[in-house]
Amino acid sequence: AQSVAQPEDQVNVAEGNPLTVKCTYSVSGNPYLFWYVQYPNRGLQFLLKYITGDNLVKGSYGFEAEFNKSQTSFHLKKPSALVSDSALYFCASTAGYGGATNKLIFGTGTLLAVQP
Amino acid sequence: DAGVIQSPRHEVTEMGQEVTLRCKPISGHDYLFWYRQTMMRGLELLIYFNNNVPIDDSGMPEDRFSAKMPNASFSTLKIQPSEPRDSAVYFCASSPLPGNTEAFFGQGTRLTVV
Repeated sequence: AQSVAQPEDQVNVAEGNPLTVKCTYSVSGNPYLFWYVQYPNRGLQFLLKYITGDNLVKGSYGFEAEFNKSQTSFHLKKPSALVSDSALYFCASTAGYGGATNKLIFGTGTLLAVQP
Repeated sequence: DAGVIQSPRHEVTEMGQEVTLRCKPISGHDYLFWYRQTMMRGLELLIYFNNNVPIDDSGMPEDRFSAKMPNASFSTLKIQPSEPRDSAVYFCASSPLPGNTEAFFGQGTRLTVV
């Protein structure tokens, strides 16, 4: 079955320190990969995506993610965390070939808590 | 554009009642998605439309759930009859071309069935 895994339910980091939120995928074909962020009582907001090309993609609010095909991973990173980055983060992948690429499979989400 | 608009934001209903959730996608977006978010199951795709036509409803949990898109600017998700286990946050999202473009999400409808 096609799936996206976020192995950590929560990541705690001190403000100013680098952060990493992990994501691995198990999807057939060449998936497109996304990161979304959800603040309390809000819908998901797009952060960044990998389609093809450079394995390091940069997105909103200073976030970046590295695509690693051999490890089937797409970890989200930021060099210096802010308290305002505290939120729920979702990794997502398109699902397979043809029409299935219209579907996004989401991971279970990782709660990022940045302490002042 | 005001983004994807969902109504109501909150809905509390009694078990057995019919519930209708509404969504207005971003103008020009040909794809519309309905998702359900719960603590136990995370974010699940229920159904999606392309040009108002349902393409994949394999995520619809059971026959009590139905979705329609009568025109490009409006969609509904209906639950009849509702049950307490349907309590969740329901999101609508739209996209101009999914796969290589991002989806834009509404703020969601928090449904509580008592």
